[in-house]
Amino acid sequence: DAGVIQSPRHEVTEMGQEVTLRCKPISGHNSLFWYRQTMMRGLELLIYFNNNVPIDDSGMPEDRFSAKMPNASFSTLKIQPSEPRDSAVYFCASSFDSGGADTQYFGPGTRLTVL
Amino acid sequence: DAKTTQPTSMDCAEGRAANLPCNHSTISGNEYVYWYRQIHSQGPQYIIHGLKNNETNEMASLIITEDRKSSTLILPHATLRDTAVYYCIVRPKAAGNKLTFGGGTRVLVKP
Repeated sequence: DAGVIQSPRHEVTEMGQEVTLRCKPISGHNSLFWYRQTMMRGLELLIYFNNNVPIDDSGMPEDRFSAKMPNASFSTLKIQPSEPRDSAVYFCASSFDSGGADTQYFGPGTRLTVL
Repeated sequence: DAKTTQPTSMDCAEGRAANLPCNHSTISGNEYVYWYRQIHSQGPQYIIHGLKNNETNEMASLIITEDRKSSTLILPHATLRDTAVYYCIVRPKAAGNKLTFGGGTRVLVKP
């Protein structure tokens, strides 16, 4: 299995621009998570989906952030407009949630720099 | 979710066992103990998890005290590639399945 795939691996953009991060979860997994990591705040959950439905988006910073999961094999995290404080590494993770102790597998991350 | 306490950092010698402690004194009966690690510039990597019994896999062993208020992750033969930040996470069996990461322990394996 290729694992969780994220693209792009690095993104540099200017303030005010729209940024779209992409994630392909592991085939067969039914839960998908978006995390953000910064030096100041560490790793924090932004949103998670179960069976393509957003379940908890309480970690999404503000309306500039939106996430979608149109099907079981693809998700996007969009920032519009981007700001310098959005600079971080964004991780996508997936798991198979059977109601028990599932294991989340993380992608390599997208390093976002907003100038 | 129960809070965990880990040492900020620790060193260990290559080839020796590394014992990483974690306190979770407020853990409740339906909460699992998970360990993840993050090697520099990579995504977090699952290591092991347990509920009450000790667990072992190809990466590590997890020892949970009888009262479940603390646990120890054991890397039996540390290598330089085990240098990473190790996170101990307590997570309910069905709490939206999210992982709440703390500061972790920065482990440096020295030759």
